[in-house]
Parts: sequence; C-alpha cells; structure tokens
Amino acid sequence: GAVVSQHPSRVICKSGTSVKIECRSLDFQATTMFWYRQFPKQSLMLMATSNEGSKATYEQGVEKDKFLINHASLTLSTLTVTSAHPEDSSFYICSAYGGGSYNEQFFGPGTRLTVL
Amino acid sequence: GENVEQHPSTLSVQEGDSAVIKCTYSDSASNYFPWYKQELGKRPQLIIDIRSNVGEKKDQRIAVTLNKTAKHFSLHITETQPEDSAVYFCAAQNTGNQFYFGTGTSLTVIP
Repeated sequence: GAVVSQHPSRVICKSGTSVKIECRSLDFQATTMFWYRQFPKQSLMLMATSNEGSKATYEQGVEKDKFLINHASLTLSTLTVTSAHPEDSSFYICSAYGGGSYNEQFFGPGTRLTVL
Repeated sequence: GENVEQHPSTLSVQEGDSAVIKCTYSDSASNYFPWYKQELGKRPQLIIDIRSNVGEKKDQRIAVTLNKTAKHFSLHITETQPEDSAVYFCAAQNTGNQFYFGTGTSLTVIP
C-alpha cells in the first residue's frame, strides 16, 4: 500500500501554544486526506476531510478555527491545533485517500499530542 | 451523518476458537466496509474489506459478511491465535467518501 508519514510523532507543549502536524503521502497522490482524533481506549473520530486546493470540511462539533487544516498539494496536508489546551491532548492520525474505485485509505503513524 | 455501532466491546476466546464481531450502520447509501486491526499506539491496519455489492468475502482465517437490507456486517476470525489479540474496528464509508468508525472491540486470545 501507499506510504504516509506524519511529523512529529510526538509533541509536548504548553497550554496556549499552537502545534502543527504534517501529513505526507510519499508515493501516492492523495486527492483527499482525512484527519482523525483518537482518545485513549476510544475509537477514531473523523475530524475533517481535506481536499487538495479547497477548504476542509469539518465534522459536526469540530471547531474549524481551532483546528486549521491546509491541503496545499496532493502530497501534503497540515493540521494546526491553535491555542492548545489539555483537553486537546490526543492521538491525531491522518490518512490519504485516492478516491475513485479504489476505496482504501492509507494511515499515517499518528502524532501523540500532550498539552501541559 | 453515518452512525456505526460495534459489539462486543471486549471479547476473550481460547486459542483455536472463533471470534465474531458485529457492526451496524445507519446510512443505507454507505457502500464500503473495511475492518481494521490496531495495536496500542500504532496506526490501524486494514485486514479485510467488503463492498456493498458483495455479501461475503474470505481471506484465509478472516471473513466478512454483509447484510445490506439489515445494514449490518460482521467479522469472523477462525482458529484464533495469540497474535490476533488487538483492538478491531469496523468502519463504513459514505457516498461523500468519509469513513466512520465503530467503537472498537478489544480481542484477547488466551493461549
């Protein structure tokens, strides 16, 4: 399958700071990238759908001004958690999706965010 | 949006026995149903999937069945092994291409 990387893999920050997470599709042109959040022992919750060159579509209850998503190219999407607070501490995972008749999404390794 | 429910939340089986995990979905237009295995702190791994035009699919010890009318699908693992122990998630993809996950099943295979 396709290779998707995420950076950083782990980040610890102080409350009130902003954190940027990068998701790169290394060998696959992803027309769409998804961003998920996973709290401990819980499921993956879809936060937003990011389409290259257009604004992201956010799921209900996800604040678009707090979770800024940019999908500047077919291989890169970024998620910025602005003014992070302890309740934002979570595992953030992106996935790359090519669409069409090929449904599989390819996950990045995830980013563990801890906000102190 | 799509609502996916998954049962049971935990499952313990003896090595060699079968394990069955069931999911239901709400959006009748959903058309692709993958199953993932996730180990602690790792990304989900696709283990099997099924499209809405197929009723059953098998890959060695793993099989998935889909009942479109009832809007439910199930994962079957036969001859379980300790390395099958993990958290399993079902998911449904809607016509907007988004994926919605079930709540997960923590499977423990007892040697």
